[in-house]
Formats: sequence, structure tokens, C-alpha cells
Amino acid sequence: ETILTQSPGTLSLSPGERATLSCRASQTVGISYLAWYQQKPGQAPRLLVYGASGRASGIPDRFSGSGSGTDFTLTINRLEPEDFAVYYCQQFESSFPTFGQGTKVEI
Amino acid sequence: QLSESGGNWVQPGGSLRLSCAASGFTLSTFAMSWVRQAPGKGLEWVSTITGSGSGRIANYADSAKGRFSISEDSSKNILFLQMTSLIDADTAIYYCARGAGHGNSKLESWGQGTLVTVSS
Repeated sequence: ETILTQSPGTLSLSPGERATLSCRASQTVGISYLAWYQQKPGQAPRLLVYGASGRASGIPDRFSGSGSGTDFTLTINRLEPEDFAVYYCQQFESSFPTFGQGTKVEI
Repeated sequence: QLSESGGNWVQPGGSLRLSCAASGFTLSTFAMSWVRQAPGKGLEWVSTITGSGSGRIANYADSAKGRFSISEDSSKNILFLQMTSLIDADTAIYYCARGAGHGNSKLESWGQGTLVTVSS
């Protein structure tokens, strides 16, 4: 099983700042098999970015994903008020997908 | 669009069947997953069915293996999760989600979730 460890657990920032979220895998994951999700309170998760440069439909370009091997990053440029939420990384390279434990981005 | 139902309160040791009605696409041509979220906790993958046609393959997390079973009714475009021998730790919101294709992939579309509470 590939374990994903996200850091930090909580990120306290202000609107307009940049958020950098980390996701570290216990073994190599192909970038094409890594995705990030956003979840707001009381809502289902939604797909944000995936692979080297993919963004889900309707996701603004201030969200971007990067990384390789075992280290991956979600960057949110110029935080908007609606971006304050919990973010999860997920690997689906194996037949047993796993999620990170989440990073909360708070004001 | 995905819409889950069937969540309820059940005693430990009991069984429950969750349903996920799909609209706007043919369920059996996409990988379909169940993901759960215990109260105040993160996301946990439960099960995925992949492949197409009669060759669909199911995989389960260790926590679900032997107790849960994923299946589908192609004629009604509904995904199921049959859960047996339920324990307190199964208490969670259960989401169904659609993959990007018929193999393991990112989860492009999610339902709103259905709450399962296991308690005596």
C-alpha cells in the first residue's frame, strides 16, 4: 500500500497569499497517477488538478500541481476567500488507491 | 450526476445496502468507486469496480474485504455497496464517485454522500 503523507496539517494564510501544500508518497508514484481534491464543510470532495498539468473543468488557473517520484505539490496562487477548505492528494497508480490525510487551509 | 441512498442507523453486526443512481452516462463503462469519510476525518477509499462489459473487476480496501461487496445493475444504471458484519468503525458518510475512464483513475464526479451510522 502506498501511504501518502500531507504537510502541513493546517496552513494559516490570508487572501491574496500563495499556498503551497505538500504530499509525500511512501513509494514512487507516476505524476500521471496523482490527483488533488478540494472539500468544503458539508460538501462532497471535488477534483481540482491531476497529472503534470491537468485541471478539472471549471477550476481556475491559480491552482496547479507539480512534482515527481515521491514528492508532489499543490500550489494555490493568490488565495481567494472560497479557497479556504481541506485539500487531499490521492494516488491511483495501484489497484488500491490511497488518499493523504488532508491539509486544511484556513484564514 | 450521482445520487446515493440507503444510509441509515444499524446495530453492530448488521447489514446495509447502499445505492448510487447514475444519470447522464452509462455506469458500466466507467470505473466506479466508493469512498467513505468518518466524522471529522479524512477520505478513505473503500472499493472500486473497473473494466467494461462482463469483465468488470472489483477491488476492496483491507477494511472492507470479506464484508463489503460492490456490484451494479446495468439495466437501471445503479451502483451498489452491500455491507455486512458492520462495526462501529464503519460509521461514515459514503460517497460514490466516477472515474475518468474504465480503469483506475482520478475521481471526476462525486455524489453528495449517504450517512451510515453503526451503533448499539
